[in-house]
Amino acid sequence: EPEVTQTPSHQVTQMGQEVILRCVPISNHLYFYWYRQILGQKVEFLVSFYNNEISEKSEIFDDQFSVERPDGSNFTLKIRSTKLEDSAMYFCASNLEPFSNTEAFFGQGTRLTVV
Amino acid sequence: AQTVTQSQPEMSVQEAETVTLSCTYDTSESDYYLFWYKQPPSRQMILVIRQEAYKQQNATENRFSVNFQKAAKSFSLKISDSQLGDAAMYFCAYRSAGGSQGNLIFGKGTKLSVKP
Repeated sequence: EPEVTQTPSHQVTQMGQEVILRCVPISNHLYFYWYRQILGQKVEFLVSFYNNEISEKSEIFDDQFSVERPDGSNFTLKIRSTKLEDSAMYFCASNLEPFSNTEAFFGQGTRLTVV
Repeated sequence: AQTVTQSQPEMSVQEAETVTLSCTYDTSESDYYLFWYKQPPSRQMILVIRQEAYKQQNATENRFSVNFQKAAKSFSLKISDSQLGDAAMYFCAYRSAGGSQGNLIFGKGTKLSVKP
């Protein structure tokens, strides 16, 4: 069964450092997403990506965040200068076509710990 | 803006019994989709069941069924014949049918424990 894969599963980084979270979406999917889940809180939408550009972003997704699809398979989330409050689980998801009841497939998440 | 509320942070059920997880949402849209996702300890979120708002019939998937009350903006999940493998976090989610790129709005989740 196709799946979304994320690496690493856990990353620890120093405050102020840059981190790149990686995702490989399902190969024929066209829409890609990043979500964040701070411990004990709800899963929050960060950004959606389609046709090699950001299609929608939340107010959480400020200038320190960026996404790209550098090679047609990987989909990355970069946090330029991490803060303590960026510590969270980050989930990547992909969807073939979201304008119906199609299922968004999620990766297993990357736990980011900023110290 | 749409919101999703899950009022039960934790629930517990005896194996083989039935449990209902609650979800309410707020929206001014008439067309949308609702989902229940399961997040086991392995962390990967898996779709359990989905419901189109335009359909009056409640969705069912084997032991999982929903009670969709559009006027009340309620979307509860019923798990029948609960199994140990059902233990997980359950998230209710909302997605607009149009005008967005398909991003999901989640509730805070309900942690379900299954007692043997």
